[in-house]
Amino acid sequence: SYELTQPPSVSVSPGQTANITCSGDKLGDKYAYWYLQKPGQSPVVVIYQDTRRPSGIPERFSGSNSGNTATLTISGTQAMDEADYYCQTGDSSTEVFGGGTKLTVL
Amino acid sequence: EVQLVESGGGLVQPGRSLRLSCAASGFSFDDYAMHWVRQAPGKGLEWVSGLTWNSGTIGYADSVKGRFTISRDNAKNFLYLQMSSLRAEDTALYFCAKDHSGYYSHFDHWGQGTLVSVSS
Repeated sequence: SYELTQPPSVSVSPGQTANITCSGDKLGDKYAYWYLQKPGQSPVVVIYQDTRRPSGIPERFSGSNSGNTATLTISGTQAMDEADYYCQTGDSSTEVFGGGTKLTVL
Repeated sequence: EVQLVESGGGLVQPGRSLRLSCAASGFSFDDYAMHWVRQAPGKGLEWVSGLTWNSGTIGYADSVKGRFTISRDNAKNFLYLQMSSLRAEDTALYFCAKDHSGYYSHFDHWGQGTLVSVSS
């Protein structure tokens, strides 16, 4: 079965850029999606179809996907961005999530 | 406003069955694929099962294949998950999630989840 690999944790200083990676075999041939989840809340999609941002998601969130790696970039990271981030991809009948990355803003 | 409200969770013994329900409102339910996603305590997200708008394509994670059955009632705007032969490792918060399209894409709305605990 298909697997996605994320780093367990990423730390960033306020105002700096955070990059969270997601690796999978030929992931660039698929669409990648990104969700954030804060404690006690349901996940929220922040990037879909590799680079697209849903309405209401700040412009500081961006995404890319090429080769075997998709990347979520948060520019000018704010304290409110501290959360767990999950990548996701799929095909016509299955979906898969990465293991998640805890973003710490300190 | 899209609303997804899960129900049916609870404490169940290993080997027993449980049926989860998800009441959907605020959108044209029969136009969209729907999914179940779970999250074990302190762990990450795991896609469990999904089905397209017309139930033409149904998929399951390997971990639940043969034990869980997903279904939908487009007339009543309900999504279901019939879980049988439950194991301790099925203990999790189960989310109902709406897909962005009628086929498999991504999850643009989520419910608050219903907790399933499998223990003797």
